[in-house]
Amino acid sequence: EAGVTQFPSHSVIEKGQTVTLRCDPISGHDNLYWYRRVMGKEIKFLLHFVKESKQDESGMPNNRFLAERTGGTYSTLKVQPAELEDSGVYFCASSLVGALWDEQYFGPGTRLTVT
Amino acid sequence: GNSVTQMEGPVTLSEEAFLTINCTYTATGYPSLFWYVQYPGEGLQLLLKATKADDKGSNKGFEATYRKETTSFHLEKGSVQVSDSAVYFCALNYGGSQGNLIFGKGTKLSVKP
Repeated sequence: EAGVTQFPSHSVIEKGQTVTLRCDPISGHDNLYWYRRVMGKEIKFLLHFVKESKQDESGMPNNRFLAERTGGTYSTLKVQPAELEDSGVYFCASSLVGALWDEQYFGPGTRLTVT
Repeated sequence: GNSVTQMEGPVTLSEEAFLTINCTYTATGYPSLFWYVQYPGEGLQLLLKATKADDKGSNKGFEATYRKETTSFHLEKGSVQVSDSAVYFCALNYGGSQGNLIFGKGTKLSVKP
C-alpha cells in the first residue's frame, strides 16, 4: 500500500512568488491534514479536510494560504504571495477515521524556503 | 490551552544505554497521547500511543505510560541502538475538532556505536 506522498520535496522561491504544494493521501482515507514546522518551533496544525470539505481551518495563518481538496482525493496548499516567515517544512497526513485515538500517517514533507 | 512540553535535545547516548525522553502535557478532557518518530530523510511515523490513563503503549522496545496524575507520557527504552537515531515527537489529540495533533518541539537522539 502506498503511503502519503508529497510534492515537491523541496521548493525555493523568492518573496512575493506563488508556490503550490501537493499531497496525495493513502487511498481510502477521508481525513487529510496539513501541518507546518517552522525552524526551531513545534509542528503546528493548519487545517483538516474530511473528504472535500474543510472540517477545521483554524490553524491557517492568514489569507495568503489556500487549501483545496477537489473530489476528496489529493489536496493542494497554495501560498500567494509567499513571505519570508512562510519558510519551513509542510507536512501532510491522512487518517481513516479522524477520531482522537486514530493514527495519522504522515508524508515526508515539503521543505519550503522563501528568500 | 492544550500544549505539550518535551525535553530539549539533542540527546547523545552510547549504544545499549538507557533512554528517557520526558514529555508532559496540558489538556482539557481526556486526550490521546502519541509518540511519533522521524528518521533522517523520512516522514513522521507513529511509534506508540495510549488512549486512556494508565495505558502503556509499546513498540520496538520503546514504552510510554499515560500518567494522568502527573500529566506525563515519558518515552523509555532499555537499550538503544544506532538505528534509533532520529527525532522523537510527543503529541496529544484532545479531540477538539476530531483529529488535530498538538506536538512538542521534538527531541533529536543520536546513538553512537
